[in-house]
Amino acid sequence: QSVLTQPPSLSAAPGQKVTFSCSGGSSNIGNNYVSWYQQVPGTAPKLLIYDNYKRPSGIPDRFSGSQSGSSATLDITGLQTGDEADYYCGTWDSSLSAAVFGGGTKLTVL
Amino acid sequence: QVHLVQSGAAVRKPGASVEVSCKTSGYTFTDYFIHWLRQAPGQGLEWLGWINPNSGGTEYAQKSRGWVTLTRDTSTSTAYMELRSLKSDDTAVYYCARDQSPRIVAPALDAWGQGTLVTVSS
Repeated sequence: QSVLTQPPSLSAAPGQKVTFSCSGGSSNIGNNYVSWYQQVPGTAPKLLIYDNYKRPSGIPDRFSGSQSGSSATLDITGLQTGDEADYYCGTWDSSLSAAVFGGGTKLTVL
Repeated sequence: QVHLVQSGAAVRKPGASVEVSCKTSGYTFTDYFIHWLRQAPGQGLEWLGWINPNSGGTEYAQKSRGWVTLTRDTSTSTAYMELRSLKSDDTAVYYCARDQSPRIVAPALDAWGQGTLVTVSS
């Protein structure tokens, strides 16, 4: 069972907006910084968002992140079929002294 | 260009050990922490630990302590992970990843190895 909670799946049509949720507690999301990763099956994860909302160079502004209290969200606008992947949130847990991740959300673009 | 290249797939019997290497290039090895994670078939990401390549200091997940050892060789810019006393449920893809963040509380893994499949089977 993951420390961070993510819904197992989401689906949306091309062109639409989708919001991923990631829920934790005061020892992790509530006081540390969240990153988000995209993983196409069979490949390594790719960093999409760090420090709750910052994008690495090369990540389009269709991807945005935010954090409030002990929860974080990742938004993708203008969905494309190439966005089909698993999405993971991660952060540091100060009580565990460990990096923790959500169980991942599988995105299906209908 | 930053690259992390891991050693190839390994098959081990229960109780055996395995070492996975992660050779880095394209940046100063000692400037960034290296994290190790694993992903069992059909499952999510599980963090195993990190190593500070500059000092050799390490931090391990509670579950990893005692069976995972992280080391590095600064002369070859390579990080290593040794797994001991392997069990069948240790079968997974193991990843190394560079942390671009200087802050432990804000891990941001911006470059990943290609993954190494470790299969534990009798």
